[in-house]
This record gives sequence, structure tokens and C-alpha cells, in this order.
Amino acid sequence: AQSVTQPDIHITVSEGASLELRCNYSYGATPYLFWYVQSPGQGLQLLLKYFSGDTLVQGIKGFEAEFKRSQSSFNLRKPSVHWSDAAEYFCAVGVWGGSQGNLIFGKGTKLSVKP
Amino acid sequence: DVKVTQSSRYLVKRTGEKVFLECVQDMDHENMFWYRQDPGLGLRLIYFSYDVKMKEKGDIPEGYSVSREKKERFSLILESASTNQTSMYLCASSLNLVQGETQYFGPGTRLLVL
Repeated sequence: AQSVTQPDIHITVSEGASLELRCNYSYGATPYLFWYVQSPGQGLQLLLKYFSGDTLVQGIKGFEAEFKRSQSSFNLRKPSVHWSDAAEYFCAVGVWGGSQGNLIFGKGTKLSVKP
Repeated sequence: DVKVTQSSRYLVKRTGEKVFLECVQDMDHENMFWYRQDPGLGLRLIYFSYDVKMKEKGDIPEGYSVSREKKERFSLILESASTNQTSMYLCASSLNLVQGETQYFGPGTRLLVL
């Protein structure tokens, strides 16, 4: 079955520390992978996406993610977290079902940033 | 920039009321989506539409219907609102309905059903 797992419901890091948010997916074919961010009370904004090619993908706001096929993972990283990064982060996999493509989302990881 | 707008940010309705949530996109996208978001459950797809007057059920369509009379507008309808439909509703749009297409989201409507 197609699914996305974000093992960490809530993570707290100190401002300036590095960050890694985990994402594992289950999909039989070539995955298309996304990270979205949702600031409090807002909709989702695309951070980055992976289709093919270089397995290290750069996104907006200084984020990057690495696709590891052998581990079925697409973890999101940032070398130095800012207080404004406090938000909820969603990993998603683009799937093909029947005649349409769609996104399957993980349940999200909430990031808190300590001053 | 793609812009997806939703008619209300916050809405309070009573049980049994008919509720309309409106979504408009300005990028001539073919596809539009309605999700609901609940704590611990992430985003769940209610309905999507790949063309005017066309609709497809998502994972949780029960209790909802949709309408797409114009390309830019996609409405979610709660025929008789119930308390278990209290949630955050997110609308999204995408250019194509292919596997890797990016979806662009509106700001959400937080609905409270009393």
C-alpha cells in the first residue's frame, strides 16, 4: 500500500542548531517526493520536491532533502534553524492511481524552536 | 505566483446547517482539490476535480459534495453539518493531474460546527 510515515510527531531544537526531519515512504514505482511547510494558521507552502537526478535537492529557506532509495527515505535538513522555522512540516509522495496522479501526505512533524 | 484563495478563514455553523466553502484559483489550473486536516491525522483528500463539472471522490467523501461550474472555482458543500465535521479545510490546485505535479494550497478555512 502507498503510504508516507513521519516518525516524529513533535521535535524541539534550539535556534542555530541543525535539523533533520525524517520521512519514509512506501510506493512500488518511481516516487515523486515533496516537502511542504505549514506556518500556524496558514496553508501549505512547497519547500522542495524530488523527481529524478541528483538525490540531494535544494529548496527554499535554506532547506535541503536527500532521497535514499535503499532506505525509502526522503529526510529534510537545515544546517542552522531560525525561530521563524517553527511550523509543521509535511512529507508527501506523488503516486499514480488509475488515470490520475495524486499526493499522499504524512501526518506531519511539528517543529518548535527554543531561543 | 499561483494564488489560491478561500472565501472564509473562520466559520462557525450550527448542526444541520448547509455549509458552502468556496475556493478560487487564478492560474488557469485544470485540477482542484479539497482536503481536511485534523491533528494527528494529517491531510485527507475529500474530493478533487480534473475539469469543469467533473469530480472524483477522495478518501473521505462521506457527508460532503462538491461543485465546479467554472474552471477557477471549486466549492465544497456540507449538506447537513455535523460536529464531527469541525476541522480545517484546505483547498489546492495543480496544473496537470500527473504523478509529480505540485499542488498549491490556499490559506485554509477553520470550520467549527456547534
